[in-house]
Amino acid sequence: EAGVAQSPRYKIIEKRQSVAFWCNPISGHATLYWYQQILGQGPKLLIQFQNNGVVDDSQLPKDRFSAERLKGVDSTLKIQPAKLEDSAVYLCASSFGWDVIFFGQGTRLTVV
Amino acid sequence: AQTVTQSQPEMSVQEAETVTLSCTYDTSESDYYLFWYKQPPSRQMILVIRQEAYKQQNATENRFSVNFQKAAKSFSLKISDSQLGDAAMYFCAYRGTSYGKLTFGQGTILTVHP
Repeated sequence: EAGVAQSPRYKIIEKRQSVAFWCNPISGHATLYWYQQILGQGPKLLIQFQNNGVVDDSQLPKDRFSAERLKGVDSTLKIQPAKLEDSAVYLCASSFGWDVIFFGQGTRLTVV
Repeated sequence: AQTVTQSQPEMSVQEAETVTLSCTYDTSESDYYLFWYKQPPSRQMILVIRQEAYKQQNATENRFSVNFQKAAKSFSLKISDSQLGDAAMYFCAYRGTSYGKLTFGQGTILTVHP
């Protein structure tokens, strides 16, 4: 079974630029999550989708972050404009029902 | 809101010995799930073990076992016969049944000495 796929693996951008991350969840998983993990900390949920709909985006900085999940499968997370404090690993994850949440390998973003 | 606390930023163990990582959580829910994830330098978050709150029996997966104390809201991970490959950051995580998101602790860095 293929895992959660994310791209790119690494990205370096200058502050005020924009960036987008892509995620393809495990086939059949209706729930998709984007987490932000700052170095040395535990991941923090940015947004949770159930199929096409948003379940929780309470910690998403909506003035600069946006996410969409078209057709209930792939998802993209965008940051525009980026700030230095956005440097982190962005993890995508998916789950089927209340079962285990599976994670992708993450994208390491460095904002300089 | 649920919170998860890991009070040990770093732990170390000798190869083949046993180590226990601590985790406490706070919740008002009666039904939930608890997990331990391992994150090596590759960044891949790997599930180690999970526990359903309604089950009194502690979960076990090969060399990994938990001590789940529901009343005390404590969920520790015991790693027996530690191996060099066990070295990683370990996260305790809580998942309630209302929305299903995972809430993570701060993590514990485990070093295994040969």
